[in-house]
Amino acid sequence: GAGVSQTPSNKVTEKGKYVELRCDPISGHTALYWYRQSLGQGPEFLIYFQGTGAADDSGLPNDRFFAVRPEGSVSTLKIQRTERGDSAVYLCASSQGGRSQETQYFGPGTRLLVL
Amino acid sequence: AQKVTQAQTEISVVEKEDVTLDCVYETRDTTYYLFWYKQPPSGELVFLIRRNSFDEQNEISGRYSWNFQKSTSSFNFTITASQVVDSAVYFCALSGLSSNTGKLIFGQGTTLQVKP
Repeated sequence: GAGVSQTPSNKVTEKGKYVELRCDPISGHTALYWYRQSLGQGPEFLIYFQGTGAADDSGLPNDRFFAVRPEGSVSTLKIQRTERGDSAVYLCASSQGGRSQETQYFGPGTRLLVL
Repeated sequence: AQKVTQAQTEISVVEKEDVTLDCVYETRDTTYYLFWYKQPPSGELVFLIRRNSFDEQNEISGRYSWNFQKSTSSFNFTITASQVVDSAVYFCALSGLSSNTGKLIFGQGTTLQVKP
């Protein structure tokens, strides 16, 4: 079956602009996660959705970052007033039900570059 | 607090050598789960293995083996007879039951280069 997909694969924007990153999880997976991976680092948790609701957004760095999952499937990560420090790979993952013992399957990521 | 440490930043070996990637974790949870992921140059994280804190049996899958030791809070990964295709960044990750969300705490990763 299809895995997690993310679009766009690459995004170049200018400082101060608004960007949207999209994630399409594995069909039937109720749990969806966003992570951010800076160069040479491991992924860092941003936000977790269970169904349509954000069950844990403790990893969002500030209020410029926001994410939605209105129908419990596709999710969009939104970044306002982008800064150069936002440049990173944004990874999306999904799992069956969001429990700690479940395996998360990752998408290929969106590489964001803020000039 | 939960933490995962992969002290080896980069390892370089010659093909057919065995190599062990170290992972040390910290957690106050009594129930937790440990994972290894591979990130090849293409960038996508590929799941390799999951272990729970109650199962300390070592696991072998082909050329891959994992050694989980609760006494030293370690979950090390060994590749036997390494191949060039094993070249990638490898991440160890932890998920504690107390988080109630399944979010993963990753180590910094170990870059493995296997030379022909």
